[in-house]
Amino acid sequence: GIQVEQSPPDLILQEGANSTLRCNFSDSVNNLQWFHQNPWGQLINLFYIPSGTKQNGRLSATTVATERYSLLYISSSQTTDSGVYFCAVGEGTTGNQFYFGTGTSLTVIP
Amino acid sequence: DVKVTQSSRYLVKRTGEKVFLECVQDMDHENMFWYRQDPGLGLRLIYFSYDVKMKEKGDIPEGYSVSREKKERFSLILESASTNQTSMYLCASRSGLINEKLFFGSGTQLSVL
Repeated sequence: GIQVEQSPPDLILQEGANSTLRCNFSDSVNNLQWFHQNPWGQLINLFYIPSGTKQNGRLSATTVATERYSLLYISSSQTTDSGVYFCAVGEGTTGNQFYFGTGTSLTVIP
Repeated sequence: DVKVTQSSRYLVKRTGEKVFLECVQDMDHENMFWYRQDPGLGLRLIYFSYDVKMKEKGDIPEGYSVSREKKERFSLILESASTNQTSMYLCASRSGLINEKLFFGSGTQLSVL
């Protein structure tokens, strides 16, 4: 299967700071998604982004498929951004086999 | 928004018990998935289903089985629970289109004593 590596594994930010999370993957993919898992365990889909750049409020993501990496940018971080961020990549004709990274644990302190 | 509902948030079972975890989605999605999440290991796929009565093994199917008798419902079965199956179990669903998002339930934290 596809190897997915996320960095950094842990991140502590002061409220208002910006951050960049990285996801490297080992093979071509047809689907890439970023998720945020809140402290209660719920995984929320942030972006579907197999290539290109998308923005949603203070969050944006860029995937460079030819170089096999994706970046998630968080600007003006808030305490509610705390949690674990996962990158998941999908392969195959159906895109049903998703491979997850081990996540970046973000703590935003006031 | 898609709603994926898992029947229990917390579950405590004894070793050797048969355990059923239920998942229901309300968006007529073809595909449903069961993952387990363990610290430091991320999410690992146990089984997925692409249609009623159809299933495929994921990366860690040993000790688990699944059932999909209706399109909206996907059940994970632990035939004889063991302590190494203590974990967070997450159900997900998505449509059959290749570029569609994955939607997750809120998870079931299972403890096997």
